[in-house]
Amino acid sequence: NAGVTQTPKFRILKIGQSMTLQCTQDMNHNYMYWYRQDPGMGLKLIYYSVGAGITDKGEVPNGYNVSRSTTEDFPLRLELAAPSQTSVYFCASRQQGAAQYFGPGTRLLVL
Amino acid sequence: DAKTTQPPSMDCAEGRAANLPCNHSTISGNEYVYWYRQIHSQGPQYIIHGLKNNETNEMASLIITEDRKSSTLILPHATLRDTAVYYCIVRVDSGGSNYKLTFGKGTLLTVNP
Repeated sequence: NAGVTQTPKFRILKIGQSMTLQCTQDMNHNYMYWYRQDPGMGLKLIYYSVGAGITDKGEVPNGYNVSRSTTEDFPLRLELAAPSQTSVYFCASRQQGAAQYFGPGTRLLVL
Repeated sequence: DAKTTQPPSMDCAEGRAANLPCNHSTISGNEYVYWYRQIHSQGPQYIIHGLKNNETNEMASLIITEDRKSSTLILPHATLRDTAVYYCIVRVDSGGSNYKLTFGKGTLLTVNP
């Protein structure tokens, strides 16, 4: 199993640009999550999904959108990038009643 | 979720046991204790979790006090690669529920040669 994979590893965006952060898991997990981590801080939940076709907001959803058309994929969309969205983004997945497994992260810099 | 308190940093000599404490005095009866770690610039990694009994796996041991108000994560033979921030998280795990993990500041464990 590759586990949780994320692409790209690093990206620089200009203010106002849009992009999609990709997340894929091959463990057939129902639950998937997107977190952001600012320097020196803990993780904050952006969005989560309990299965294909079902998504819900976390603590800090503003400026982001998600979709979950398949069990494997959970892309995160930034529509109008702002400097405040400079962060490291982590995707995670888990099976019911089990621990979360995290991807390697995407570093995003908005200038 | 119950609040947890961890020391901000700890040092350990390579090859020795690392004992990382966590206080969770307001823990409820159905809340589990989870431990994760984050090596610099990488995604958090699950280590171990428990409810009331001590647990052991290939990575670590988890000792939970009888009153469940505190716990200790033990890395039996720390290596340089164990240098990381360790997070103690208390959370309900009711099987069917979806849940988020609330990561605090954790403990920075530095393993020295």
